[in-house]
Amino acid sequence: RKEVEQDPGPFNVPEGATVAFNCTYSNSASQSFFWYRQDCRKEPKLLMSVYSSGNEDGRFTAQLNRASQYISLLIRDSKLSDSATYLCVVNSNKDSGYALNFGKGTSLLVTP
Amino acid sequence: NAGVTQTPKFQVLKTGQSMTLQCAQDMNHEYMSWYRQDPGMGLRLIHYSVGAGITDQGEVPNGYNVSRSTTEDFPLRLLSAAPSQTSVYFCASRYRQVQFYEQYFGPGTRLTVT
Repeated sequence: RKEVEQDPGPFNVPEGATVAFNCTYSNSASQSFFWYRQDCRKEPKLLMSVYSSGNEDGRFTAQLNRASQYISLLIRDSKLSDSATYLCVVNSNKDSGYALNFGKGTSLLVTP
Repeated sequence: NAGVTQTPKFQVLKTGQSMTLQCAQDMNHEYMSWYRQDPGMGLRLIHYSVGAGITDQGEVPNGYNVSRSTTEDFPLRLLSAAPSQTSVYFCASRYRQVQFYEQYFGPGTRLTVT
């Protein structure tokens, strides 16, 4: 089983819609969780870290469910500029916790 | 700060040729890593380093070598290029404590092996 799994999508949503992505991870000892955003043919960039209590940054809300081993990303009031691939990232307990495992990404297309 | 820089941006190699992808960072990050990204496969870790003089293998290390003689530089060497190494390569760096710090990526090198 892959360590981090995501629905690849694509998710096609109209502007203004709310969309949610989930991601599951297999290693119960994982401690660090992130969402990265990757635009077409560009490098990934950090969107937000995911804290145990959940956290919000403007239109974006991230939540962690340790019992079920999944994290989620909610985007409210979608903008055209939100179109991108969203990568779920979890640290590995191998290699003293240094390595980050990336999901394959969920593609979002926001349409006018 | 320039952040993480990679050269070249594009490269075409013939099977069997060798080359070095360059990566440098100016943020004094201890941890540096190389990933490859292929369609449908996501980002896969090739090699990583937790400091100068210390390197280790990631998920897909075969066919690649690395060294870390300075904090700033982390070159990736392809020993004998194969078509299966056609990919986009990203270098990344961050501070060592993964829980608290963002990982920064370079702009990528697009490699084609014919």
